Amino acid sequence: EAQVTQNPRYLITVTGKKLTVTCSQNMNHEYMSWYRQDPGLGLRQIYYSMNVEVTDKGDVPEGYKVSRKEKRNFPLILESPSPNQTSLYFCASSFSGQVGILNTQYFGPGTRLTVL
Amino acid sequence: AQSVTQLDSQVPVFEEAPVELRCNYSSSVSVYLFWYVQYPNQGLQLLLKYLSGSTLVKGINGFEAEFNKSQTSFHLRKPSVHISDTAEYFCAGAGGGSYIPTFGRGTSLIVHP
Repeated sequence: EAQVTQNPRYLITVTGKKLTVTCSQNMNHEYMSWYRQDPGLGLRQIYYSMNVEVTDKGDVPEGYKVSRKEKRNFPLILESPSPNQTSLYFCASSFSGQVGILNTQYFGPGTRLTVL
Repeated sequence: AQSVTQLDSQVPVFEEAPVELRCNYSSSVSVYLFWYVQYPNQGLQLLLKYLSGSTLVKGINGFEAEFNKSQTSFHLRKPSVHISDTAEYFCAGAGGGSYIPTFGRGTSLIVHP
């Protein structure tokens, strides 16, 4: 089954404790992306990756890191989480290029993060 | 880059009534528009998209949207809603030099029995 998986689905942590949210897709997609969803603000893009070893900042990259060492995985790293990073996070993937990205992005189920 | 505005944060409606969720876009250069739906506790899934061609776009679950260049709008419509349509709906747009979509703030559709 074609899917995007994220782990963990729920996470409660404390300020300053490094964490990683994993994202994996099994569709051989080149393009992957991270979003955060906050009430009243919709989805805002954090980082995206056009292919292996190619990443770029989205609209709200501060406080986040990503890496793309393999095509299927795109982890999101919070080196020193703060309470304002409490949010619902989504990973998405699609084929690359204008035709790929404009056609269908597949979203993971989301990771709800609470930073105390 | 393209930006989109969803004019209503919440739309309550009774079951079997028609509904319209409004979306306006900014750039008229190479416009690509989407509607996504997010059911409770799930990720987003694509409802429909406009890339080119016919301005009336039909999507899944009986939804349709019309690309209106003169009004810079891409409103989503359904003639008769069901309780199961209760969800968050996001308009997204790309173009104006970028093909990576940006999302609106979302509209919560609440269908009452």
